[in-house]
Amino acid sequence: DTAVSQTPKYLVTQMGNDKSIKCEQNLGHDTMYWYKQDSKKFLKIMFSYNNKELIINETVPNRFSPKSPDKAHLNLHINSLELGDSAVYFCASSRTSGSYNEQFFGPGTRLTVL
Amino acid sequence: SQQGEEDPQALSIQEGENATMNCSYKTSINNLQWYRQNSGRGLVHLILIRSNEREKHSGRLRVTLDTSKKSSSLLITASRAADTASYFCANTGSNYKLTFGKGTLLTVNP
Repeated sequence: DTAVSQTPKYLVTQMGNDKSIKCEQNLGHDTMYWYKQDSKKFLKIMFSYNNKELIINETVPNRFSPKSPDKAHLNLHINSLELGDSAVYFCASSRTSGSYNEQFFGPGTRLTVL
Repeated sequence: SQQGEEDPQALSIQEGENATMNCSYKTSINNLQWYRQNSGRGLVHLILIRSNEREKHSGRLRVTLDTSKKSSSLLITASRAADTASYFCANTGSNYKLTFGKGTLLTVNP
């Protein structure tokens, strides 16, 4: 009965590889997000989708491409991985895209690029 | 940038004591939210205070908001070892994007 789930939990890969992280929420929410948390615990939003439409696209490299096949899923594909991509990536969802909605976070995916 | 700053960066107290964490932000906000993150886990929403509210309570949590000073505080009363975690404030401005502060690491010693 997990609310927001992510796979995999850990991802270790070589520089230059392409990898994907998957996220699913069973809360019936309309809006989903991807965040990146660096080694200093600073959490920054990357993307947000509302009803499968991109509504927030922060300044992230083009190597990062989110995909939302339906409202319950938001996947993150990363091309040509670099050392600086090592971080914990969190998926989140909220009932709507309005500013008064709390966000529900997944457990995170720890990405290590060697 | 709306990025907030939590103060202190780290706080260590004894069980039963109160813990106060502060947060400052830079621009006008619609609301301010506090989240908790246990080590190795995702964030959990604690409480939301709207820009027209000054104080809000939820169980052992008390949040204040001073929009004139662009600051908020989170008070945890009668702390427990299980309260050990990082605490983040996050604000939303004219858009609905949550901008997080850098967090306060709270350690409650048994």
